[in-house]
Amino acid sequence: SQQGEEDPQALSIQEGENATMNCSYKTSINNLQWYRQNSGRGLVHLILIRSNEREKHSGRLRVTLDTSKKSSSLLITASRAADTASYFCATDAQAGTALIFGKGTTLSVSS
Amino acid sequence: KAGVTQTPRYLIKTRGQQVTLSCSPISGHRSVSWYQQTPGQGLQFLFEYFSETQRNKGNFPGRFSGRQFSNSRSEMNVSTLELGDSALYLCASSGTSGSPGELFFGEGSRLTVL
Repeated sequence: SQQGEEDPQALSIQEGENATMNCSYKTSINNLQWYRQNSGRGLVHLILIRSNEREKHSGRLRVTLDTSKKSSSLLITASRAADTASYFCATDAQAGTALIFGKGTTLSVSS
Repeated sequence: KAGVTQTPRYLIKTRGQQVTLSCSPISGHRSVSWYQQTPGQGLQFLFEYFSETQRNKGNFPGRFSGRQFSNSRSEMNVSTLELGDSALYLCASSGTSGSPGELFFGEGSRLTVL
């Protein structure tokens, strides 16, 4: 079963614009992670935010976490065509040793 | 250092057959997780192994099984294949022993069942 659910399912923007993706989850977590997947490839880790953190930055990425609302957001600033990919949030669940993924947001950045 | 290696990358089977997929984790990583990815269901957790022990299992029928060897390499097996087993099977390794940290994914094994 899915722990996290991303919103929107699909997002199309122009190069240079910002992209925001949201993730909601159901149960308490130790950390939340965001991953990226280019079509048909393996997933690549982007960022991990712990339950006691509210915001984290990595390059053009900004992740926020609101544990009271059980939600997180991923902001990609100044998007590039190369950012076109699917983005997944993942949370630890099931006794904390498994990472459970949402269904992802498909981002399309056109030049 | 070398990444996660999955073999084979592509394979075609027919219904009723069985398949074994292999995963070599990053050197030093003792945790290996397996996922099934389909367009309809997304990424579904299959199981997670740590030091040859299955610590966690997803909601899949018993036809799906796995194991981990003493060198941390892992295999998963699907018996009596069904059309719905067609998917990308992803393996990931982690260097943490407790709460999952960063997962390092392989490129996957794409299984087509005819």
